[in-house]
Amino acid sequence: DTGVSQNPRHKITKRGQNVTFRCDPISEHNRLYWYRQTLGQGPEFLTYFQNEAQLEKSRLLSDRFSAERPKGSFSTLEIQRTEQGDSAMYLCASSPKVPEKLFFGSGTQLSVL
Amino acid sequence: QKEVEQNSGPLSVPEGAIASLNCTYSDRGSQSFFWYRQYSGKSPELIMSIYSNGDKEDGRFTAQLNKASQYVSLLIRDSQPSDSATYLCAVNRGWDSGGSNYKLTFGKGTLLTVNP
Repeated sequence: DTGVSQNPRHKITKRGQNVTFRCDPISEHNRLYWYRQTLGQGPEFLTYFQNEAQLEKSRLLSDRFSAERPKGSFSTLEIQRTEQGDSAMYLCASSPKVPEKLFFGSGTQLSVL
Repeated sequence: QKEVEQNSGPLSVPEGAIASLNCTYSDRGSQSFFWYRQYSGKSPELIMSIYSNGDKEDGRFTAQLNKASQYVSLLIRDSQPSDSATYLCAVNRGWDSGGSNYKLTFGKGTLLTVNP
């Protein structure tokens, strides 16, 4: 068990650019989640996958955000036409059959200039 | 009213004291309750889960749940400087209440500082 891995750890981009983050969950976990956390706030739910199926996407997400999990393994989160308000820590988590016990990765810190 | 509310702190306690962290939630359909610890610059780590009214103890940690009052708490006995972190309360609606059973709603967290 090597834990949840996220890449890159940090991403600095200019407003309007597209960015993509990758998450590799714990291998035996079929549930994968993306959360976003800003300074002084708790993590905020973005989307959820069970295997390769994306079962829920937060209403807070605009159409600029898209996530995939091909073959039910790793996942990618893409943000198109980034805005300064997208600056945050993007956390990936996975869980076994008990969905609530989330194991978080180290996160990707996005800064949009 | 926010879904999950916590006092943001900071809560400062001396080493060896009991730290008491509180959380209230608004959704009466909530079924599962969790405490995560988050060190500065790190990701959240699950430390306690509780599903039934009453107390649940695990080492120096005790989680308390009162569904009638919509209140969850975490007690840390014999607090150590290494306990200094932000403690996040998280709530899940569960299978039976018609909401998603996998989405956790987090509070803002309470910053705990344990002074040597």
